[in-house]
Amino acid sequence: DTEVTQTPKHLVMGMTNKKSLKCEQHMGHRAMYWYKQKAKKPPELMFVYSYEKLSINESVPSRFSPECPNSSLLNLHLHALQPEDSALYLCASSQEGQDYEQYFGPGTRLTVT
Amino acid sequence: GEDVEQSLFLSVREGDSSVINCTYTDSSSTYLYWYKQEPGAGLQLLTYIFSNMDMKQDQRLTVLLNKKDKHLSLRIADTQTGDSAIYFCAPASGSARQLTFGSGTQLTVLP
Repeated sequence: DTEVTQTPKHLVMGMTNKKSLKCEQHMGHRAMYWYKQKAKKPPELMFVYSYEKLSINESVPSRFSPECPNSSLLNLHLHALQPEDSALYLCASSQEGQDYEQYFGPGTRLTVT
Repeated sequence: GEDVEQSLFLSVREGDSSVINCTYTDSSSTYLYWYKQEPGAGLQLLTYIFSNMDMKQDQRLTVLLNKKDKHLSLRIADTQTGDSAIYFCAPASGSARQLTFGSGTQLTVLP
């Protein structure tokens, strides 16, 4: 099973709302990632968790707050977003260590109004 | 940092072969991945090649790597309409955590 699931599939939120995106995998992977993908563009790395600890933050604004409550779950908490944050948010996971392929979820399509 | 370039569009006839090209700049890239993305979907890992290999074949997919020229290609044999998608080249430098994606090539398969 190489499945990464993400909920919700679509999310519309106002600029004053607080919402969360969820990601789950049951492959025993210990590295999990958040990417942001704008239309017609490649994915851009936001955060990497390794063994439930944040290891990489690609200078992401604080209105995005990641959380890894356990080795299977990854959340992205959203607060006071801007319309330019509208994008497809992709979660991925991989085995820990070097050169292990990343498996992606289907993404959450976020629209900020 | 790594720069990865791909041509933006490719059109082929159904049944023909497709060749998607990619150039990269970081010679320390160890694994080089190909991902496929269909409209509105996430990324599907298609295949990858390790940097000490020249070629890897996996069913209809053939990956060629010219490490000297830092050129990677993905050949899809007998291309089908279901192959229409965006294809991303993604070299991994240092750690697989640091994938650098190319701009993506939109493959259109014409009947």
